[in-house]
Amino acid sequence: DAGVIQSPRHEVTEMGQEVTLRCKPISGHNSLFWYRQTMMRGLELLIYFNNNVPIDDSGMPEDRFSAKMPNASFSTLKIQPSEPRDSAVYFCASSPRTSGTYIHEQYFGPGTRLTVT
Amino acid sequence: AQKITQTQPGMFVQEKEAVTLDCTYDTSDPSYGLFWYKQPSSGEMIFLIYQGSYDQQNATEGRYSLNFQKARKSANLVISASQLGDSAMYFCAMREGGTSGSRLTFGEGTQLTVNP
Repeated sequence: DAGVIQSPRHEVTEMGQEVTLRCKPISGHNSLFWYRQTMMRGLELLIYFNNNVPIDDSGMPEDRFSAKMPNASFSTLKIQPSEPRDSAVYFCASSPRTSGTYIHEQYFGPGTRLTVT
Repeated sequence: AQKITQTQPGMFVQEKEAVTLDCTYDTSDPSYGLFWYKQPSSGEMIFLIYQGSYDQQNATEGRYSLNFQKARKSANLVISASQLGDSAMYFCAMREGGTSGSRLTFGEGTQLTVNP
């Protein structure tokens, strides 16, 4: 079975450029999460969706960040304009949050390593 | 206040021995879940084990077991018969809110090194 798919795996861009990260969750999962991992701040939740609807975006650092989930099999995280402090590994995760279960374990993608110079 | 605390930045263990990674949590919610994830040097996050706040027995998954002490608010991960491939960063995480909450809060992690 295919796991969570993220692209690109690595992205190097210059300050001020737009960056778009992509995620395909596991088929049948109806919750999707975007995380950012840095040495200084650890693993932070940026935003999560249930059934394609954003539920909690309180972790999105500022207006330069936006996330969309146009359908159950695709999500994007966009940074515009990018800054060097955005350099991090960005993870997408999905969860089989269905009625009758409450474990809500999350399965992570391989991550996108973003470097903004 | 930290919701998840992992007090061991680094741990070392000899191959084939058991090791315990500590995790304490803080919540006033009676319904919550505790998770452990492994992050090897390749970077992916791997789900290992789950313990629900109402579960009567400690969770086990192969060589992984969770020592759940509810009164102490601790959820330590025990890895038995350590293998070289167990060398990785280990994260404890908590979900609050029962069936309505999916948000996970992660600890800072413990770097485990298994020595041959």
